[in-house]
Amino acid sequence: EDQVTQSPEALRLQEGESSSLNCSYTVSGLRGLFWYRQDPGKGPEFLFTLYSAGEEKEKERLKATLTKKESFLHITAPKPEDSATYLCAPSESGGYNKLIFGAGTRLAVHP
Amino acid sequence: DGGITQSPKYLFRKEGQNVTLSCEQNLNHDAMYWYRQDPGQGLRLIYYSQIVNDFQKGDIAEGYSVSREKKESFPLTVTSAQKNPTAFYLCASAERGEKLFFGSGTQLSVL
Repeated sequence: EDQVTQSPEALRLQEGESSSLNCSYTVSGLRGLFWYRQDPGKGPEFLFTLYSAGEEKEKERLKATLTKKESFLHITAPKPEDSATYLCAPSESGGYNKLIFGAGTRLAVHP
Repeated sequence: DGGITQSPKYLFRKEGQNVTLSCEQNLNHDAMYWYRQDPGQGLRLIYYSQIVNDFQKGDIAEGYSVSREKKESFPLTVTSAQKNPTAFYLCASAERGEKLFFGSGTQLSVL
């Protein structure tokens, strides 16, 4: 059965304190792995897509990496505006773009 | 600006009542999706449509119905058969195999 587990469930950081979020997945035939950011009461906002093990992508203070079983979202020197829930979603290969979403990591960055 | 518009932002349902959530996109995407989000859980797929006049059940379709009469529109009806409808509902669209773009969501509550 396809599964996605994100850890930790919640993370509290001081401004400037770097850390990593984990996404462990089990899917049959990975098409790609998507990271989204979601603010309270809003829809998810796309961050990255990773397609193959070893791939890395960066955007400002965020860097996403991918292995065959996990993806990490590294946050370097976070700011309070990085506070949000971060969602991971591997996509199965197949006829349509089926994303399997994890429950997310709620990140709070305090000044 | 191109995007996805969901309405209303908040919706209240009385027992035994059907309610319809609106989703419109002007991104010219073929595929559209409906997800349900409950606190502490990942997004779960209700229905998806890859082309006009065609749609398929997702993982939790019971108690919901959809139509896809126009490329731009994919309304979701929450029927009285859905006994636990309180949730945050998200509509998304995508080009085949590409990232999903999400709307801002509708919070449905039961009176």
